[in-house]
Amino acid sequence: DTAVSQTPKYLVTQMGNDKSIKCEQNLGHDTMYWYKQDSKKFLKIMFSYNNKELIINETVPNRFSPKSPDKAHLNLHINSLELGDSAVYFCASSYGTTWEQYFGPGTRLTVT
Amino acid sequence: TQLLEQSPQFLSIQEGENLTVYCNSSSVFSSLQWYRQEPGEGPVLLVTVVTGGEVKKLKRLTFQFGDARKDSSLHITAAQPGDTGLYLCAGENTSGTYKYIFGTGTRLKVLA
Repeated sequence: DTAVSQTPKYLVTQMGNDKSIKCEQNLGHDTMYWYKQDSKKFLKIMFSYNNKELIINETVPNRFSPKSPDKAHLNLHINSLELGDSAVYFCASSYGTTWEQYFGPGTRLTVT
Repeated sequence: TQLLEQSPQFLSIQEGENLTVYCNSSSVFSSLQWYRQEPGEGPVLLVTVVTGGEVKKLKRLTFQFGDARKDSSLHITAAQPGDTGLYLCAGENTSGTYKYIFGTGTRLKVLA
């Protein structure tokens, strides 16, 4: 029944490692997003895909690479993890660019 | 950097009280959303406002979009403990660096 799901829920890793976060939605939406929420709860958009095409890339370091194998999935791969990457990462989806987004439960990434 | 400033930042009130949360910017927004986020979960969409001056009601919650589409407010009547959470406004920018930005957040606690 889950609308937007993310795995893993928690991710603890060391600096320099490479990790991936997966996201899936079963709402039939055609647009998916990645957000980063910092320790002060400020949410910032990172990427957006519409029908598997990248439409928003908000000045994110190129260590972050999103991949959308199909409309229902959007994964985030992060290379050479840094301490400042520690945050909660949220996936979201919507119809087109309505911006009425449904969010996943988040992935708490801790880089040590 | 465009900002959506929310006020107050924190609010602790007794059950049954009324409250208003404000979301202000110097930028014009094509649309604006309000979300509520609870600890350990993703934001949940409450409403979208699109037209300047628009008012929408969701049970005890009343949302208003400013005439110039630069600001919005959320009014809660007779607050209940279940209203506790982080309230976030977010909007699609008509100009500026970031296409979609979130507000700074208002953390509401309603005491029984």
